[in-house]
Amino acid sequence: GNSVTQMEGPVTLSEEAFLTINCTYTATGYPSLFWYVQYPGEGLQLLLKATKADDKGSNKGFEATYRKETTSFHLEKGSVQVSDSAVYFCALVGNTPLVFGKGTRLSVIA
Amino acid sequence: DAEITQSPRHKITETGRQVTLACHQTWNHNNMFWYRQDLGHGLRLIHYSYGVQDTNKGEVSDGYSVSRSNTEDLPLTLESAASSQTSVYFCASSLTASGPTDEQFFGPGTRLTVL
Repeated sequence: GNSVTQMEGPVTLSEEAFLTINCTYTATGYPSLFWYVQYPGEGLQLLLKATKADDKGSNKGFEATYRKETTSFHLEKGSVQVSDSAVYFCALVGNTPLVFGKGTRLSVIA
Repeated sequence: DAEITQSPRHKITETGRQVTLACHQTWNHNNMFWYRQDLGHGLRLIHYSYGVQDTNKGEVSDGYSVSRSNTEDLPLTLESAASSQTSVYFCASSLTASGPTDEQFFGPGTRLTVL
């Protein structure tokens, strides 16, 4: 079945550091890929998405590229801020509803 | 503004009791979903619905049921609450037009504790 594996957290970075959160997937066919973010005490909200190979999703300085050859969708940001502290979830949807990774907690310290 | 709400936000109950968590959306989305979030497991799908009178089991449906009598609501019922069902529950909805590939909008969550 479909599955998503993302790097274990927590990740702690200093402000303005570079962020990478790895995400790889297993799926049949051609899934759409998503990154969701969950701020403390809130529900999830969509951060970015990509619906086909080589698409790059971007939002709020974050970006991720759909790499079919490596079945990956790594999340990156060039300079993180304290306000980026949250839990990040990689997810995919194909012939079944959304499947989520286990989440990666990011803490950014000033 | 359109939104998705959940109630109650916090609930404490006892083992064996029936509990119903409410989910209401005003986007007129046909697709609705229930997830539970547990440390170390991320989000896991409990039940989902693609329209009125349609319900489907997800990954962790045992001990839960849903019914869809209108577009706006998808209540989640725990028939006989167990301590293993202590969790945070999220409801979500999405548009129909592009099927399950559409963005899902999430409610704020319900924290359920079963003693």
